[in-house]
Amino acid sequence: GAVVSQHPSWVICKSGTSVKIECRSLDFQATTMFWYRQFPKQSLMLMATSNEGSKATYEQGVEKDKFLINHASLTLSTLTVTSAHPEDSSFYICSAGSRGKETQYFGPGTRLLVL
Amino acid sequence: GIQVEQSPPDLILQEGANSTLRCNFSDSVNNLQWFHQNPWGQLINLFYIPSGTKQNGRLSATTVATERYSLLYISSSQTTDSGVYFCAVSSGGGADGLTFGKGTHLIIQP
Repeated sequence: GAVVSQHPSWVICKSGTSVKIECRSLDFQATTMFWYRQFPKQSLMLMATSNEGSKATYEQGVEKDKFLINHASLTLSTLTVTSAHPEDSSFYICSAGSRGKETQYFGPGTRLLVL
Repeated sequence: GIQVEQSPPDLILQEGANSTLRCNFSDSVNNLQWFHQNPWGQLINLFYIPSGTKQNGRLSATTVATERYSLLYISSSQTTDSGVYFCAVSSGGGADGLTFGKGTHLIIQP
């Protein structure tokens, strides 16, 4: 299967700071990237879908001004959590897909802890 | 949107036992995937199976699209099979976001 990386794997920050998470597809061109969030002992919830070169589509209840998504190339998408607060602490997972592929390929995730 | 229900929510078995995990979904799907989430959070893609039957070693899966359910079979369980198993679906293909079920937490005891 395809390889998707995320960086950083762990981040601890103070309340009020912004955090950027990178998602890279290493061996295929991802026309679409997805961002999911998983709270402890819960399922994954889709936050947003981004297509290369266009604005992201956010799921209902996800603040687009708080979770900034950029998908500037076919191999890189970034999620910036702006003015992070403790309730934003979660496990953030990206996945990459394309119309030519049947499945999505998931990154290893990023654990965010906001103090 | 599509609703996904998984059962059972928790399952504890002895090593060597067989298990069946179920996923029901509320609407037609073009994408159904089974994942194993390991203790570090990594999602391991087990099967892409919007219909039909597939096997990979001790694991196999069957999806009956007309009846809107899928089953994941694990035979001769090993302790390394422990973790959370998720079923996820979408009505599109690789370009659509997935809706996940709540998962089955499997514990295999030695």
